[in-house]
Parts: sequence; structure tokens; C-alpha cells
Amino acid sequence: EPEVTQTPSHQVTQMGQEVILRCVPISNHLYFYWYRQILGQKVEFLVSFYNNEISEKSEIFDDQFSVERPDGSNFTLKIRSTKLEDSAMYFCASSPGTSSNQPQHFGDGTRLSIL
Amino acid sequence: GQQVMQIPQYQHVQEGEDFTTYCNSSTTLSNIQWYKQRPGGHPVFLIQLVKSGEVKKQKRLTFQFGEAKKNSSLHITATQTTDVGTYFCAGPSAERRGSQGNLIFGKGTKLSVKP
Repeated sequence: EPEVTQTPSHQVTQMGQEVILRCVPISNHLYFYWYRQILGQKVEFLVSFYNNEISEKSEIFDDQFSVERPDGSNFTLKIRSTKLEDSAMYFCASSPGTSSNQPQHFGDGTRLSIL
Repeated sequence: GQQVMQIPQYQHVQEGEDFTTYCNSSTTLSNIQWYKQRPGGHPVFLIQLVKSGEVKKQKRLTFQFGEAKKNSSLHITATQTTDVGTYFCAGPSAERRGSQGNLIFGKGTKLSVKP
């Protein structure tokens, strides 16, 4: 069964440094998402991406964050200047459809630790 | 803003006992989705409910969507140790018309099963 893949599985970074988290969504999916989950807490929406542009973003997704689809397969999340509170598990997800009535397939996540 | 609430936050059961988690949304939902996250894992889609009053079953799991499409429940009959994990309900954001499907997750119910 096709999977969403994310790299790296764990990223340790000094505060203030830039990080790029990578995702390869399922190949025939059209919608891509980033979520984050602070340890022990709920999954929080960051941003959705469709047709090579951001569809929606949450309050969490401020100017420090950006997303890109640099080629036909990768979908990246960049955090420009990391803060301690950015430490979390970041999940990429994709869905096939053109409406909200579609299940989302999550990757295994990248655990981001900011020191 | 839109909220999705889940109770209980934790549930400890003896293997063989039943388990139920309840989900309530502050807004009417077009659909509700349920995800399971094993410890250290990523959310895995279980099911989607769309119709008012809908009931769906997956083996020992029974999912219900309320008549007003604002609440839902997941019931597991005769729990097994493989049921351990956190169960999240999630609904599409109602913040923007034509939302591209970003999900608002509940805080989840963490189920532990004692053998």
C-alpha cells in the first residue's frame, strides 16, 4: 500500500537555526498537509497545499514557516529561525480528493528537537 | 474558534472490557473522521462518517455520528491489548467555505488495556 514518507525521522537543531523537513506524499494525491504534535498533546493543523499554493494556514503557521513543492514528488516544510517551542513531532499528510470528505494519510513524522 | 472536544482523556480497562470515547464539536460537521495513533506512531485513518445518525462497524469497533452532526462516538467491544493507543476524532475546519480539508483534531482518548 502506498505510504507518505518523511525524512529525517529525527532532527536536532540549535535554536535560531533553519530546518527543512521533507515529505514525499502518495503519488496520485492532490492535497498535502503539515500538522504538528507537541509531546502528549493533540495533532494541530499547520498548513494545507493544493495546486502548488497554500490553501489554508493556521495561526501557528507564521512568517517563520514556509512550504514548497520543489519538484513533482517532494513537499517541504521550512522553519526559518527555530525556537524552543517549535520542538514537536511534525506530520505530513496527503489526501486524494478535492473536498474535505477525504481521509488523510499520515507519514511517520519527523521529531524536531530544538536545543 | 471551532473546537472539537473528546472525553475521557484517558481510559484504563481490563482486557475484555468495553471502551467508549465521545467526541463533541462546537460546530456542525460535514463529516467526522476517526484516527488511531499507537504509542510512538502516526495517526492512522480508521473511518469517516458523513450522514446524520450514521452507524458504521469495523469488527469490534462501532462508530456513530449524531443526528445533529455535532457529536460522535467510538465503542470497542471486548478490548484486546492490540487496541492500545490514542483515538482521535477530527472534523474539517468550518472556518472557511470550501475548506480544503484541514482537520481539527480532538485531544484524543488514550486507551490502555491491562492483560
